[in-house]
Amino acid sequence: GENVEQHPSTLSVQEGDSAVIKCTYSDSASNYFPWYKQELGKRPQLIIDIRSNVGEKKDQRIAVTLNKTAKHFSLHITETQPEDSAVYFCAARGWGYNTDKLIFGTGTRLQVFP
Amino acid sequence: KAGVTQTPRYLIKTRGQQVTLSCSPISGHRSVSWYQQTPGQGLQFLFEYFSETQRNKGNFPGRFSGRQFSNSRSEMNVSTLELGDSALYLCASSSLAGGYNEQFFGPGTRLTVL
Repeated sequence: GENVEQHPSTLSVQEGDSAVIKCTYSDSASNYFPWYKQELGKRPQLIIDIRSNVGEKKDQRIAVTLNKTAKHFSLHITETQPEDSAVYFCAARGWGYNTDKLIFGTGTRLQVFP
Repeated sequence: KAGVTQTPRYLIKTRGQQVTLSCSPISGHRSVSWYQQTPGQGLQFLFEYFSETQRNKGNFPGRFSGRQFSNSRSEMNVSTLELGDSALYLCASSSLAGGYNEQFFGPGTRLTVL
């Protein structure tokens, strides 16, 4: 079945450094890749997404890259701040009735130390 | 617009009992998905409903079931509860199903099975 692997499970960085989270997916029909941020005790919220016809997308300090050939996508956060501390989830969605469920990775706990 | 709401927010049940969780989507949203969140497992997809029909299903036993009403509100039922069912149950709504539609999450229902 569909599977999304996410690494690392935990990531600690100093404020101002960059953070990179990587995901791989198994379903080659996947064409939508969102990233969600979940702060402690809060609901997951979409922070950025990318479609399969785009290789890279940027929004201020966050960017996502996609390599469809390798079935690999990554989240890049630059100039990290303490408020970036949270759990980040990647996800992938296929296409078609009964095959387009959103499958999530297991999450990365990011800690940004001042 | 009001966000996705879930009731109850907390539940304590004993093994063998059954439980019903409720999710009210954002007004106008017709798709509701359910996820189980446990530490280390991330968000695992349970099922998705669109226009009162289940259009996607995850790999959970038949004890987990759901339905959607004509006003798009959805309920999830778990029968014969097991200790391993203890988790945060999240629902998410989107305007349409599949595609590039963003999912908006509710605050979750934390279920504890004793």
